[in-house]
Amino acid sequence: DTGVSQDPRHKITKRGQNVTFRCDPISEHNRLYWYRQTLGQGPEFLTYFQNEAQLEKSRLLSDRFSAERPKGSFSTLEIQRTEQGDSAMYLCASSSDLGSYNEQFFGPGTRLTVL
Amino acid sequence: GQQLNQSPQSMFIQEGEDVSMNCTSSSIFNTWLWYKQDPGEGPVLLIALYKAGELTSNGRLTAQFGITRKDSFLNISASIPSDVGIYFCAGQLGRNFNKFYFGSGTKLNVKP
Repeated sequence: DTGVSQDPRHKITKRGQNVTFRCDPISEHNRLYWYRQTLGQGPEFLTYFQNEAQLEKSRLLSDRFSAERPKGSFSTLEIQRTEQGDSAMYLCASSSDLGSYNEQFFGPGTRLTVL
Repeated sequence: GQQLNQSPQSMFIQEGEDVSMNCTSSSIFNTWLWYKQDPGEGPVLLIALYKAGELTSNGRLTAQFGITRKDSFLNISASIPSDVGIYFCAGQLGRNFNKFYFGSGTKLNVKP
């Protein structure tokens, strides 16, 4: 399967714990995006990487959130000192910068539940 | 942030009926994408639109990029039970390739 993959698919944690999610984009895609989706809403942009450079961050991405893409391939999203309000689906998407099109392809998401 | 108004919020239709949903904004977008999301899964791209007035089909799905560039619609013809899911529009502003703004979704229910 050559689509976007995310791990884990589900994570249950206690408030105050740190969690880390991984995203593997489509192999030839150099752009990678993180979104957060809460129940009944569409995805909300969190951050964007072009290769290994993090070029844009939403104000939704508080100081407790950090994302990396060290080698321009897979990416990790870490949430420190989790809060109940962090419970959501975290989606990763990737796209290519070839041409002028920007079709974003999503992974299956990581469902986070903070108790 | 930008607000995309997607309507209707939900629809209950009979199998075989046609469906129409739309997305509007006060801002001008240069790209519209339509996605379908099943429970517990990520959104799946259905159709991409890049030019004002563009009409694009993908099987039973047809989407159009509004002439004003502030709206888009998605039609599904001859609906089937597997069309059930949540449909999202996503718009990209100007030449910013970095992010899309999503509507809140249209939940489609198809009765066999």
